[in-house]
Amino acid sequence: NAGVTQTPKFRVLKTGQSMTLLCAQDMNHEYMYWYRQDPGMGLRLIHYSVGEGTTAKGEVPDGYNVSRLKKQNFLLGLESAAPSQTSVYFCASSYDRAASYEQYFGPGTRLTVT
Amino acid sequence: AQSVTQLDSQVPVFEEAPVELRCNYSSSVSVYLFWYVQYPNQGLQLLLKYLSGSTLVKGINGFEAEFNKSQTSFHLRKPSVHISDTAEYFCAVIVGGGSQGNLIFGKGTKLSVKP
Repeated sequence: NAGVTQTPKFRVLKTGQSMTLLCAQDMNHEYMYWYRQDPGMGLRLIHYSVGEGTTAKGEVPDGYNVSRLKKQNFLLGLESAAPSQTSVYFCASSYDRAASYEQYFGPGTRLTVT
Repeated sequence: AQSVTQLDSQVPVFEEAPVELRCNYSSSVSVYLFWYVQYPNQGLQLLLKYLSGSTLVKGINGFEAEFNKSQTSFHLRKPSVHISDTAEYFCAVIVGGGSQGNLIFGKGTKLSVKP
């Protein structure tokens, strides 16, 4: 099992450009999450999905859109990138949203917006 | 809003010394508490979690944590650290009824183990 994978690993964008980050999991998990990690800020939840075709906003959703067309994939989109979106983005998945079920994290995507 | 406070942003320690990483949470309702570790250039990995029952929780790699409801704390400890424990450690909480909810992370503590 590959677990949770993220594509790409690194990306540099210019202000105003758009891009999509791909997250894939092979554990048949219902729940998937997108976080951003900034120095001294910990991880903050951007959006999450409780199943195929459903998404919900997290703590910091502005400037991002997501889609879950297939159970195994969760896409994070930036329509018009801004320097404030320079961050490391982590995807995670879990079997259930209950506390007893562990979230499994991908290796991250480092995004720089100039 | 519920929050998690990690009192130390950086903790330097010598190899084979004991270490304690501090975490306090704010909540008046049931909480479910977690410690995650992030090794350099990697994603997060669950170290241990407290859901209910015994307040002393043992995790992987020799770490343990104690849930203290009266002090609203969940400090992480290891009696003897190794160089390989150098990483960033995050305390996190899920708050709310039914034990379902989103993880709220602290800002992290960087543990640096020196020879």
